[in-house]
Amino acid sequence: AQKVTQAQTEISVVEKEDVTLDCVYETRDTTYYLFWYKQPPSGELVFLIRRNSFDEQNEISGRYSWNFQKSTSSFNFTITASQVVDSAVYFCALSEFPHTGNQFYFGTGTSLTVIP
Amino acid sequence: SAVISQKPSRDICQRGTSLTIQCQVDSQVTMMFWYRQQPGQSLTLIATANQGSEATYESGFVIDKFPISRPNLTFSTLTVSNMSPEDSSIYLCSVEFKGFQPQHFGDGTRLSIL
Repeated sequence: AQKVTQAQTEISVVEKEDVTLDCVYETRDTTYYLFWYKQPPSGELVFLIRRNSFDEQNEISGRYSWNFQKSTSSFNFTITASQVVDSAVYFCALSEFPHTGNQFYFGTGTSLTVIP
Repeated sequence: SAVISQKPSRDICQRGTSLTIQCQVDSQVTMMFWYRQQPGQSLTLIATANQGSEATYESGFVIDKFPISRPNLTFSTLTVSNMSPEDSSIYLCSVEFKGFQPQHFGDGTRLSIL
């Protein structure tokens, strides 16, 4: 079964619009970690954020914000006032460390296109 | 932050040949991993590269096809053996620096097999 689901395959927004990327995860562990990575067209994976299962506080970093809700097993990512440079594929990932060692389970990614 | 270098960045290879991809980090790391990203798809873990011992492979990946070396704490290689067009992918090295930390990725190697 898929441990991380990113239902949105592709999203297009016009510059300056806000956009939310959804991530739903599945785990039986009480201790786990969630991540978001960005993969721009150049191909490298850029780490954006890590949250552990005991910290449900939402986080804001500039135009980026993350909403972690254990009740719905979701870890959604919002970009405010999107810019063309935000165009990339975004991956959500889960780690059940230490239960399954360092294994990362990646979602299938959401391709975001920001239109100028 | 540390620099993770992968070589080559891209290559086009003939069917049946083998290619070795290198991953070099400019500081010591605790863990090194190899992933495959097939066109338009997500990342799949191939194996964990263990220093001084055999790599730990995930289901569906075998040592004969993807031999891995890790002679020290900063360097690892992945070989894609007897390549076929189905091996056309991006291969990514990732590392963990200390304890349990987010994995950081190299720029990847884009491999095309004709």
